[in-house]
Amino acid sequence: ETGVTQTPRHLVMGMTNKKSLKCEQHLGHNAMYWYKQSAKKPLELMFVYSLEERVENNSVPSRFSPECPNSSHLFLHLHTLQPEDSALYLCASSQGWDSPYGYTFGSGTRLTVV
Amino acid sequence: DQQVKQNSPSLSVQEGRISILNCDYTNSMFDYFLWYKKYPAEGPTFLISISSIKDKNEDGRFTVFLNKSAKHLSLHIVPSQPGDSAVYFCAASERGGADGLTFGKGTHLIIQP
Repeated sequence: ETGVTQTPRHLVMGMTNKKSLKCEQHLGHNAMYWYKQSAKKPLELMFVYSLEERVENNSVPSRFSPECPNSSHLFLHLHTLQPEDSALYLCASSQGWDSPYGYTFGSGTRLTVV
Repeated sequence: DQQVKQNSPSLSVQEGRISILNCDYTNSMFDYFLWYKKYPAEGPTFLISISSIKDKNEDGRFTVFLNKSAKHLSLHIVPSQPGDSAVYFCAASERGGADGLTFGKGTHLIIQP
């Protein structure tokens, strides 16, 4: 148990579907993140939430929509995805968005878009 | 353009020997560096870190070296054990920056018996 729980672990969805990824942390952290890991690429930061407020990341397509209802929960809403969006989506949390002391990651959701 | 580079996708080391994983960075504003370890089907886990005010940090079998002038850091594992087989990610952050951690592509370390 890492303290950061992601569900589902695996997800297969069609390009017209709408689905959501869920992340929950029990560490008392006040910052949460979504990262994307594609094959042979570095982990890419998608979104940052600090104290439930979103730090903008303009490079992420609008078909990805984050939601942070409270400091313990983070969602990533998905709609009209493309096959190239297939990847491992990792959630992480930390004590402060500018904390250099490392993040605690969840196990990830393996997403396949067909 | 990648700001954190791990140029070796994989590395094979014999059990008991030293494993050396390398990482280069281009952003001179980075002031904190971390190594993460990742097993298949799991998220990355924090391994060791180093602040830019130091050039070495040691934790058991793991030592991280930082050469600021060369913008280079390395992770030494000695002696290497079979359980060390994993993907190792180098990451960097800029204190006060809003961009989170910037990761390299990772190096797959394989420890051979």
